[in-house]
Amino acid sequence: KNEVEQSPQNLTAQEGEFITINCSYSVGISALHWLQQHPGGGIVSLFMLSSGKKKHGRLIATINIQEKHSSLHITASHPRDSAVYICAVRPQFYFGTGTSLTVIP
Amino acid sequence: GAVVSQHPSRVICKSGTSVKIECRSLDFQATTMFWYRQFPKQSLMLMATSNEGSKATYEQGVEKDKFLINHASLTLSTLTVTSAHPEDSSFYICSARDVVAGVSSYNEQFFGPGTRLTVL
Repeated sequence: KNEVEQSPQNLTAQEGEFITINCSYSVGISALHWLQQHPGGGIVSLFMLSSGKKKHGRLIATINIQEKHSSLHITASHPRDSAVYICAVRPQFYFGTGTSLTVIP
Repeated sequence: GAVVSQHPSRVICKSGTSVKIECRSLDFQATTMFWYRQFPKQSLMLMATSNEGSKATYEQGVEKDKFLINHASLTLSTLTVTSAHPEDSSFYICSARDVVAGVSSYNEQFFGPGTRLTVL
């Protein structure tokens, strides 16, 4: 049983499409991270949020604490957005298994 | 943005040897660093939390005598895999928390590029 579930596992999109990646969790949390892992393994922390919504460039992250759900949205997707997106919850540091995104030109 | 480096990026060693991996915060101070392990096709798993000047806190199931962590300064933490065996082959990643940015930053932690360990 995974405490953090992500969907979809794999996602292919055309360049320019609006993308949504979902994360559900079953434990009480203090915060939720969205991470981006590139094919070489390097990881970038995109967001840490505990309520509401955060935006950075074309990325938007939302969280609904009551429903134990978070979404990561990418607007105007681009091939360089191709990566694995991982959500993780604090304080437990439980990680989702990731969503592999491929954006086709 | 803040930069975290890891060295080496890739290491191959014989079974029974020890391997040291360094994690450095290059342009900020980090009182806390985290060590993760990632097996192929799997997600990250937190191994331990490294606090500058004190003992690391290990997650359940992680052997502290096998994975030695030292955080001697605000910019350096090391992970030593002692008496490595093939099952220790994995991708090891560190992250560091900027003591200034804290929770007010939209991206609290900065990750190193990872170290791929292969034990023959």
